[in-house]
Amino acid sequence: QSVLTQPPSVSGAPGQRVTISCTGSSSNIGAGYAVQWYQQLPGTAPKLLIYGIANRPSGVPDRFSGSKSGTSASLAITGLQAADEADYYCQSYDSSLSVWVFGGGTKLTVL
Amino acid sequence: QVQLQESGPGLVRPSQTLSLTCTVSSVSISSGDYYWSWIRQPPGKGLEWLAYIYYSRKTYYNPSLKSRLRISLNASKNQFSLRLSSVTAADTAVYYCATMVENEGDYFQHWGQGSLVTVSS
Repeated sequence: QSVLTQPPSVSGAPGQRVTISCTGSSSNIGAGYAVQWYQQLPGTAPKLLIYGIANRPSGVPDRFSGSKSGTSASLAITGLQAADEADYYCQSYDSSLSVWVFGGGTKLTVL
Repeated sequence: QVQLQESGPGLVRPSQTLSLTCTVSSVSISSGDYYWSWIRQPPGKGLEWLAYIYYSRKTYYNPSLKSRLRISLNASKNQFSLRLSSVTAADTAVYYCATMVENEGDYFQHWGQGSLVTVSS
């Protein structure tokens, strides 16, 4: 059971907007620790997508954006493309467990 | 661009010790820019952070696995390594080495391609 809770799956049609939620608690997201997002294409290593809640590394399209409110964070993807079909993971630090934690992952299907 | 490459046996017997090495390219492991980390992913499951080592040889382990983990660094070879003792089938996973950055949040910036380790007799 992951400390950060994500929906197992989301889907959307090409061109649409989808959001993926990441629900934490007062010992991680709610404590002010930053949230990161990673994209894992099938059979590959995770790739950093968003860091520090809403910052994009160089090369990541601005179709990807992050936000945070209270004990939850969200990843939004606009203008969905077939190439976006992947697993997405949120990540933060948990002060109760004293460890960096990941969400259980969300599989994005582009219809 | 920082590149990471894991290497090690793909099969480990139960109760034995799993050993993996990560070879770093394009940056000195002694630069102080990153915390050198290991993360694993059991087949079909999520990600679990295991440990990190800094160039100063400061280490930090996942408390749930601390008693079985050892991370080390070889600056002359620009490599860092992980050892996990007393393995069971539950330790079967893809093991990734990664760089962790402490800036605007602790995030894993660069990843190796991963090394699948199967624990089986």
